[in-house]
Amino acid sequence: KAGVTQTPRYLIKTRGQQVTLSCSPISGHRSVSWYQQTPGQGLQFLFEYFSETQRNKGNFPGRFSGRQFSNSRSEMNVSTLELGDSALYLCASSSLRENTEAFFGQGTRLTVV
Amino acid sequence: GESVGLHLPTLSVQEGDNSIINCAYSNSASDYFIWYKQESGKGPQFIIDIRSNMDKRQGQRVTVLLNKTVKHLSLQIAATQPGDSAVYFCAEIGTYKYIFGTGTRLKVLA
Repeated sequence: KAGVTQTPRYLIKTRGQQVTLSCSPISGHRSVSWYQQTPGQGLQFLFEYFSETQRNKGNFPGRFSGRQFSNSRSEMNVSTLELGDSALYLCASSSLRENTEAFFGQGTRLTVV
Repeated sequence: GESVGLHLPTLSVQEGDNSIINCAYSNSASDYFIWYKQESGKGPQFIIDIRSNMDKRQGQRVTVLLNKTVKHLSLQIAATQPGDSAVYFCAEIGTYKYIFGTGTRLKVLA
């Protein structure tokens, strides 16, 4: 059974640009959540989607957005990139039918220059 | 904001010794907790979980203890090996999300 797949693995962007990251969850998982990881900040929750609906959102500016498709794949978009957006962006999938563990992808390392 | 905190940011242990990583969580209503391990260049990997109706759960070489009275979790790793070197996160489940701490780095000394 394939794990969570995130693409691309690495990305370098310039300030002011926008970026789209992709996540394919484990087959059968309908919940996809996104986290930002920076040194010293740990994992900060961005948002969670289930059946194409955003069910929860973290404390990030509106420049951070996401969506989920009917096949449960998800994308997140960051517009008007800032240097502080440099981070590892992690996607996690779970069944979340009841409390179960979330499985993480390898992440996308975004560097904003 | 809401967070799950860790008491020891870095823990160094001798190979073969037992490791104990501690964590304080914020929401007394949380009923599910997970420990994750993150190695360099990889995403967090599930180690063990525990539900609030339990005080202790054991896996292979790992044990999680939950003290709901003081909102405290701990992860015990028996006979720590070099491959255990990583950053460990505890997490509590919130509303459609997990709340993570900043992590504890475990260094295993040869």
